[in-house]
Amino acid sequence: GAVVSQHPSRVICKSGTSVKIECRSLDFQATTMFWYRQFPKKSLMLMATSNEGSKATYEQGVEKDKFLINHASLTLSTLTVTSAHPEDSSFYICSARDRVVSVSGNTIYFGEGSWLTVV
Amino acid sequence: GEDVEQSLFLSVREGDSSVINCTYTDSSSTYLYWYKQEPGAGLQLLTYIFSNMDMKQDQRLTVLLNKKDKHLSLRIADTQTGDSAIYFCAESSSYKLIFGSGTRLLVRP
Repeated sequence: GAVVSQHPSRVICKSGTSVKIECRSLDFQATTMFWYRQFPKKSLMLMATSNEGSKATYEQGVEKDKFLINHASLTLSTLTVTSAHPEDSSFYICSARDRVVSVSGNTIYFGEGSWLTVV
Repeated sequence: GEDVEQSLFLSVREGDSSVINCTYTDSSSTYLYWYKQEPGAGLQLLTYIFSNMDMKQDQRLTVLLNKKDKHLSLRIADTQTGDSAIYFCAESSSYKLIFGSGTRLLVRP
């Protein structure tokens, strides 16, 4: 079945540095990728939607200069947290939308998530 | 705007049925999903239902959709301790998923 891989699964970085998280669709082409953030014991918040080859669309309240999203190919999107602060520590999950509708009808697949801790 | 609501907590005894409820506001939703999240893990798609369906059954899982009331439910038959997790419902309309706050299911032995 369709697989979305996120890397790294866990990362610790120092305050003020930048960290990049990758989201790859392994066996399908993703026309659209989504980035979510999950706060402890809370739901997932959609941060931005990215389409291959175009600028990401950010949700209200999400700083686009802080959370840089690049969707350079149909199989890869990256989220870069710039000048990270401890309050950026969170669980970040990507999902990818297959350009082909599967037999089951599902088209959206999630990565395993990435834990970011900023110290 | 779009909004999805769930109750926060449900506790059931092992072997009983669990019913997790969800309400949504976007009448143009095309698909509605149920995801499971175990501690420290990502999301696992459990099942989903197309908006023109009323019911979908998949082994121990039964999804009921009342489109008029914008109400979605997930029934887990013969609930096991391994079912303890957070369950998120989500609706999809304009190419993005809107999640509910999640229902924490606790299965007591």
